[in-house]
Amino acid sequence: EVQLVESGGGLIQPGGSLRLSCTASGFTVNYNYMSWVRQAPGKGLEWVSTIYSGGSTYYTDSVKGRFTLSRDNSKNTLYLQMNSLRAEDTAVYYCARQGLVGAFDSWGQGTLVTVS
Amino acid sequence: IVLTQSPGTLSLSPGERATLSCRASQSVSSNYLAWYQQKPGQAPRLLIYGASSRATGIPDRFSGSGSGTDFTLTISRLEPEDFAVYYCQQYGSSPTWTFGQGTKVEIK
Repeated sequence: EVQLVESGGGLIQPGGSLRLSCTASGFTVNYNYMSWVRQAPGKGLEWVSTIYSGGSTYYTDSVKGRFTLSRDNSKNTLYLQMNSLRAEDTAVYYCARQGLVGAFDSWGQGTLVTVS
Repeated sequence: IVLTQSPGTLSLSPGERATLSCRASQSVSSNYLAWYQQKPGQAPRLLIYGASSRATGIPDRFSGSGSGTDFTLTISRLEPEDFAVYYCQQYGSSPTWTFGQGTKVEIK
């Protein structure tokens, strides 16, 4: 069974840093495109970042230079290092897999980041 | 690519047909358009990919259609569990992916 479990969220002051983790089971992270998608309270979904199977990383403009996406193949885990956090980064952060169909076919339960 | 969903809210009764629209600001490459369902407090769930293919385990009352810039999600007969928010997403212009703002389907 494919499963994604996020952790690392919490309350952080503006300007602070936080590292989110996403541990996968039932498949191999480095064989897939893996992404983070966030959802501000009461708002819609926003793509944040993606890492390709080859290791290339991509970011939405608002987080470029502040967020870094990486993975640890030995732990089958994805990380999102978030620096210089702002109030507008407050959201539930979801980890998602882009499967063979191309769309985001598996999602974690999300972890809440509150910048205040 | 900007995706615009309409209507913002759809008020219907169980058993009725729901038609949700998603319009793209430019053509979606290879019709790489997906639909997701999200219920309160839950993660999104993939319903439709490639504009018209149902994801694993999705009931056949859900169907997707369209191409180019205009796409539609149809729920043929609403079940109580279908009342939720629905998002479209394009994944054709990688490496950026965009979502629509969502359509809420509520009980009338």
